[in-house]
Amino acid sequence: GAVVSQHPSRVICKSGTSVKIECRSLDFQATTMFWYRQFPKQSLMLMATSNEGSKATYEQGVEKDKFLINHASLTLSTLTVTSAHPEDSSFYICSARGVRGRPVYEQYFGPGTRLTVT
Amino acid sequence: KNEVEQSPQNLTAQEGEFITINCSYSVGISALHWLQQHPGGGIVSLFMLSSGKKKHGRLIATINIQEKHSSLHITASHPRDSAVYICAVSPEGGGGADGLTFGKGTHLIIQP
Repeated sequence: GAVVSQHPSRVICKSGTSVKIECRSLDFQATTMFWYRQFPKQSLMLMATSNEGSKATYEQGVEKDKFLINHASLTLSTLTVTSAHPEDSSFYICSARGVRGRPVYEQYFGPGTRLTVT
Repeated sequence: KNEVEQSPQNLTAQEGEFITINCSYSVGISALHWLQQHPGGGIVSLFMLSSGKKKHGRLIATINIQEKHSSLHITASHPRDSAVYICAVSPEGGGGADGLTFGKGTHLIIQP
């Protein structure tokens, strides 16, 4: 149980276009989803926290108008990278928590999306 | 903000060796996570612990809350254990609602 999927797994887009990444909890309702990114040879960094039905909370230095997060249901959160630039090329990972009966600190990770902006 | 330090950064060992990876953090936490990241990037959660010790197969994780330190051990290591192992912490008092802070990872290579 507690499976999280992401789509797409890889995407290449041209500079200036927008890309949407989906994160789904397949067998549980995720009250909270987190979005992380990882630049090459660096550690994962939290970008934003997404709670169902409310606005996402962004970490310092992350542009909320550039990285649009929508958590419209308890099983789906989307991250849209708007007007993508080559420096946005990164590995984006979501995680979800909210498995009923499990400790609140348990997070389950998606497989990640590798974004390349040309 | 919590500072999460892992050691060693890189570790190469022979198959069968006992492996230890260490993690220390600077501020109180609600839980500590050990994650495994394979070359393709996907992350697998190995352990989530807030006290004591957990064991799963050949993997053992321990945490000492007073010393703000955790260790991940791999017994009878195998080449398929080769991966990056990442320590991450959940902040104290956040009820798990806050995102994780990650260490930089330990790149483990097990040679046959």
